[in-house]
Amino acid sequence: AQSVAQPEDQVNVAEGNPLTVKCTYSVSGNPYLFWYVQYPNRGLQFLLKYITGDNLVKGSYGFEAEFNKSQTSFHLKKPSALVSDSALYFCAVRSLMDTGRRALTFGSGTRLQVQP
Amino acid sequence: EAQVTQNPRYLITVTGKKLTVTCSQNMNHEYMSWYRQDPGLGLRQIYYSMNVEVTDKGDVPEGYKVSRKEKRNFPLILESPSPNQTSLYFCASGRGDTDTQYFGPGTRLTVL
Repeated sequence: AQSVAQPEDQVNVAEGNPLTVKCTYSVSGNPYLFWYVQYPNRGLQFLLKYITGDNLVKGSYGFEAEFNKSQTSFHLKKPSALVSDSALYFCAVRSLMDTGRRALTFGSGTRLQVQP
Repeated sequence: EAQVTQNPRYLITVTGKKLTVTCSQNMNHEYMSWYRQDPGLGLRQIYYSMNVEVTDKGDVPEGYKVSRKEKRNFPLILESPSPNQTSLYFCASGRGDTDTQYFGPGTRLTVL
């Protein structure tokens, strides 16, 4: 069974400071990893994904994530946080072996609060 | 604009009254899926469809039905809703095996 852990319910950071939202995963075979963001009363918006290749993945709105196979982690990062980045962030995983159901397993989410 | 749409966005109903939540995508995606989101649990897959007339159960299918008669539509049917189906529901679609899944805006359902 696959699983995702987001160990922090909330992350607080001052505007202009770097931010990190943590994610670790467990999956059979090679992982297919995502980050999504959810703003209040909005759906899930895709930020970035990792399939293969460079361990550092760049995505929308200046976000990036680093895949670390030995630590089974996929932490989301941004060099300089904006107040508008405040939202709920979800990490998700599925196995590349799952070509049928393609069910994404999501973490419980991390609320990012960026203070002015 | 490429998008996944859901209707209604908000629904309050009573136990046992059949309801349907519609999902439509305009991206010609073969794959579609329904998830429910509950606090502290993230999103869990209810049903999925790999193409027209091909559907299968996800992790939490009990109490739900789906159909896929057309490629663009994937309605979620609750024949006899119960209070434990109060949740936020998301529809998603994707193209190929490694394609990103794109999500609709969500439907907040309350069953009294």
